[in-house]
Amino acid sequence: DAGITQSPRHKVTETGTPVTLRCHQTENHRYMYWYRQDPGHGLRLIHYSYGVKDTDKGEVSDGYSVSRSKTEDFLLTLESATSSQTSVYFCAISGLAGDLTEQFFGPGTRLTVL
Amino acid sequence: DQQVKQNSPSLSVQEGRISILNCDYTNSMFDYFLWYKKYPAEGPTFLISISSIKDKNEDGRFTVFLNKSAKHLSLHIVPSQPGDSAVYFCAGRMDSSYKLIFGSGTRLLVRP
Repeated sequence: DAGITQSPRHKVTETGTPVTLRCHQTENHRYMYWYRQDPGHGLRLIHYSYGVKDTDKGEVSDGYSVSRSKTEDFLLTLESATSSQTSVYFCAISGLAGDLTEQFFGPGTRLTVL
Repeated sequence: DQQVKQNSPSLSVQEGRISILNCDYTNSMFDYFLWYKKYPAEGPTFLISISSIKDKNEDGRFTVFLNKSAKHLSLHIVPSQPGDSAVYFCAGRMDSSYKLIFGSGTRLLVRP
């Protein structure tokens, strides 16, 4: 158990509303990631962080922003949710003891945008 | 442009037999390949990995084979068990970086 939690686990919201998903880790991993999982696409990287206040874009970053003010927390914000952002979102961590090979995933957040 | 492809969306095998899951890639810059297993309503969990300089890695019932010339890797599960029923994702790690590129997954069903 890599000590990674996500909140909320489920959320239903309406188009145009802001949404923030939280990822929390207790393992002091340096790297944190946000992915979305959609049928036929596998997992696609949205944003990642390589340290406090150090973030960068992944392959599907449009419409999303992130923040990392503490090592243990990585927030994903949808500024104005759209139906195309209905998905399952996973947070992942890596980098303990410098090993970046394996990423550990959280349990996921199922987001529905109506 | 899919850099990692899993062309079989599903696979069904009998308990005790071998399961072979396949993955193809296009990016020669991958230095590691990883397999993850995912149960419904849970996050993916790491299963096994292989360095691009190796051609085989084995861990218990799980073996991953890498054919660099064909840009192909496969995961063998022997013997298959009903608890192995899950979605399996392969992923390539970009050379010396933190990014994983995932395939679309293969759903494995092991029939009792």
